[in-house]
Amino acid sequence: EPEVTQTPSHQVTQMGQEVILRCVPISNHLYFYWYRQILGQKVEFLVSFYNNEISEKSEIFDDQFSVERPDGSNFTLKIRSTKLEDSAMYFCASSERSDGRDFTYEQYFGPGTRLTVT
Amino acid sequence: GQNIDQPTEMTATEGAIVQINCTYQTSGFNGLFWYQQHAGEAPTFLSYNVLDGLEEKGRFSSFLSRSKGYSYLLLKELQMKDSASYLCAALSGGYNKLIFGAGTRLAVHP
Repeated sequence: EPEVTQTPSHQVTQMGQEVILRCVPISNHLYFYWYRQILGQKVEFLVSFYNNEISEKSEIFDDQFSVERPDGSNFTLKIRSTKLEDSAMYFCASSERSDGRDFTYEQYFGPGTRLTVT
Repeated sequence: GQNIDQPTEMTATEGAIVQINCTYQTSGFNGLFWYQQHAGEAPTFLSYNVLDGLEEKGRFSSFLSRSKGYSYLLLKELQMKDSASYLCAALSGGYNKLIFGAGTRLAVHP
């Protein structure tokens, strides 16, 4: 069964450093998302990406964050200058939605990258 | 604003039935999802409702009332492995972002 994959599973970085989190969505999916979950808190939406551009972003997704789909398969989240409060699990998700009579909204989540900022 | 409410914790006995309720207030509502999440792992899709009514998938069923802003997840024939957090999430907006509740931690006892 196809699945979303993410690398690395765990990333430790120092405050102020740049990190890139990588995701490979399910191959025929059209919509891509990043979410984060701070330890003990709820899952929060960061950004959605469709047709090679950001379609929606939350207040969390400020100028320090960026996303890219550089080669048609990978989907990356970059944090330019990490802060302590960026420590969290970051989940990538993808979904396939078609207009018309048949549609699916299911979002499939990758296993996550645990980011620890020291 | 966007608001999803669900109980923080519930306990149940192996073999029993449990119902986890969720109320929501979100703009651009497109549907209601339920995910299971074990500690340290990713959310796993369980069920979703776009229209009012009951959706059944094996031991799991989910119900939605759009007019009341209410959903529930029903788990039957509980097993110890069902001990997990259950996340209620509203599908919202034109690009279908998920707005999550804080989750309900379910503990299943023998």
